[in-house]
Amino acid sequence: KQEVTQIPAALSVPEGENLVLNCSFTDSAIYNLQWFRQDPGKGLTSLLLIQSSQREQTSGRLNASLDKSSGRSTLYIAASQPGDSATYLCAAGGGADGLTFGKGTHLIIQP
Amino acid sequence: GAVVSQHPSRVICKSGTSVKIECRSLDFQATTMFWYRQFPKQSLMLMATSNEGSKATYEQGVEKDKFLINHASLTLSTLTVTSAHPEDSSFYICSALGGSEKLFFGSGTQLSVL
Repeated sequence: KQEVTQIPAALSVPEGENLVLNCSFTDSAIYNLQWFRQDPGKGLTSLLLIQSSQREQTSGRLNASLDKSSGRSTLYIAASQPGDSATYLCAAGGGADGLTFGKGTHLIIQP
Repeated sequence: GAVVSQHPSRVICKSGTSVKIECRSLDFQATTMFWYRQFPKQSLMLMATSNEGSKATYEQGVEKDKFLINHASLTLSTLTVTSAHPEDSSFYICSALGGSEKLFFGSGTQLSVL
């Protein structure tokens, strides 16, 4: 059974810093890995999707990498802003099997 | 882009009542939809996989008679929480499988059972 772990559970950094969120998964037989953002009381916003054959994806200040062999993914946020404050969820799996989510990293960017 | 609409966004009900949550894919057909549940400070947990025209597949520990799922069309899946109790209070969120194996999520439903 797939297990997804996210480290750290919480992170607070000053505005402008670059930061890395980590995600590990136990079963490398995945279709894709996705990073989501969850704002309090709201649904999920898909940030980046990395197919199993890819190594990274970039969108604006966000860059996500995938190393299937080691069961790891990282989300890199450049030049953080207060509006980046949210919970970031990593999810592995995809296809008809759905996704297994980590518990998330609660990120606070201090103005 | 693809949009999934989920209603209602918030429900407060008395213990013993049933609550229906709708999940619609607005601009694409979704043969597969998923229902997740999230308790406070916990990760999203898959409850069931819903395929159009067939019975839903429930994850271990999820009562199929309590959480009724109907996926009658390619754009609509519903989750009915029957005889809801306070322990069913949670954030329920649906997702629909679109092209390129990408999942699109609804905005979620916060259920509070008094």
